Amino acid sequence: GAVVSQHPSRVICKSGTSVKIECRSLDFQATTMFWYRQFPKKSLMLMATSNEGSKATYEQGVEKDKFLINHASLTLSTLTVTSAHPEDSSFYICSAPAASTYEQYFGPGTRLTVT
Amino acid sequence: AQTVTQSQPEMSVQEAETVTLSCTYDTSESNYYLFWYKQPPSRQMILVIRQEAYKQQNATENRFSVNFQKAAKSFSLKISDSQLGDTAMYFCAFSSGSGGYQKVTFGTGTKLQVIP
Repeated sequence: GAVVSQHPSRVICKSGTSVKIECRSLDFQATTMFWYRQFPKKSLMLMATSNEGSKATYEQGVEKDKFLINHASLTLSTLTVTSAHPEDSSFYICSAPAASTYEQYFGPGTRLTVT
Repeated sequence: AQTVTQSQPEMSVQEAETVTLSCTYDTSESNYYLFWYKQPPSRQMILVIRQEAYKQQNATENRFSVNFQKAAKSFSLKISDSQLGDTAMYFCAFSSGSGGYQKVTFGTGTKLQVIP
């Protein structure tokens, strides 16, 4: 099946700094990718839809200036958490949809800890 | 807007037994897809089974099967011959079938524990 990778798998950063998370589709092209945030023992919360070559679409309540999304190529989307604060600590997951079945191929996730 | 409801936060089942996880959804669309995803302790999301709304036949994948009741907007997952590796969070999910790639709406999840 199709593979989506995320890098890094874990990251610790200091409050006020920025951190970039990469999401790559390894063996297929993805014009659309999705970014989620997941709190412990909770469901996935969609943050934004990343579109190759155009601006991302953010869900209501998600600060677009804080969570910068860039979909620069057909295989790479990045999420940058700017001026991170401890409350941004969470598990971030990306996914890319299958072309015909509408299932999502998920990345393994990135655990962000802001100290 | 679509909603997906999972009313069982936690369930447990003895190894080799059968368990059913419940899911209901609400939508006004006629063309859509339903999924069950599994999230084991590794937190990697894995597709368990998929159902197209236009298909009346219930989907099956080895030990996993669904009971899709379109009129009732119900989509339950049955796991037969439960195995220790089935221990995970299970999320019911909905995706619209119209207008290109659609975002997924997830339920709140059911934590399944398989007891040896």
